[in-house]
Amino acid sequence: SYVLTQPPSVSVAPGKTARITCGGNNIGSKSVHWYQQKPGQAPVLVIYYDSDRPSGIPERFSGSNSGNTATLTISRVEAGDEADYYCQVWDSSSDHSYVFGTGTKVTVL
Amino acid sequence: EVQLVESGGGLVKPGGSLRLSCAASGFTFSSYSMNWVRQAPGKGLEWVSSISSSSSYIYYADSVKGRFTISRDNAKNSLYLQMNSLRAEDTAVYYCARVRVGDGSCYFDYWGQGTLVTVSS
Repeated sequence: SYVLTQPPSVSVAPGKTARITCGGNNIGSKSVHWYQQKPGQAPVLVIYYDSDRPSGIPERFSGSNSGNTATLTISRVEAGDEADYYCQVWDSSSDHSYVFGTGTKVTVL
Repeated sequence: EVQLVESGGGLVKPGGSLRLSCAASGFTFSSYSMNWVRQAPGKGLEWVSSISSSSSYIYYADSVKGRFTISRDNAKNSLYLQMNSLRAEDTAVYYCARVRVGDGSCYFDYWGQGTLVTVSS
């Protein structure tokens, strides 16, 4: 089955830029979606189809995808961005399964 | 406003059964595929099962295949997950999530708040 690998943690100072990677074999050929999950809350979609933002998600959130790595970028980080972030792809070749990354805890210093 | 409200979680002994429900509102339920996703305490997200809008297509993760059954009642705007032969490793918060299907991929655009299932003797 398809595996997505994320760094366990990323630390960033307020106002700086956080980059969260999601590694997978030829992930650039797939569409990647990103979710934010704050403690005790349900996940929230922040990026879909590699780089599209749902309504209500700040422009500070952006995404890219190429080769073996997809990246979620959070610009001008705020304290409220502290959360777990998960990437996700749909694997049509494996019983139409949804694959999540291992998750990255973003800490705002 | 889209709302997904799960219910039916609780404490159950290993080998027992439980049925989860998800009540949907604020959208045309019968037009969307729906999924269950779970999260064990302190762990990441794990996809559990998927059902198409008309129940024609159903898929399960290998970890629950043969034990869990997903279903829906479009007349009642409700999604269900029948969980049998429960194991300690099934302990998790279970979320129902609406699926958006598009250009060669699928993703979850709305999630419920989740219901906790604890499997313990």
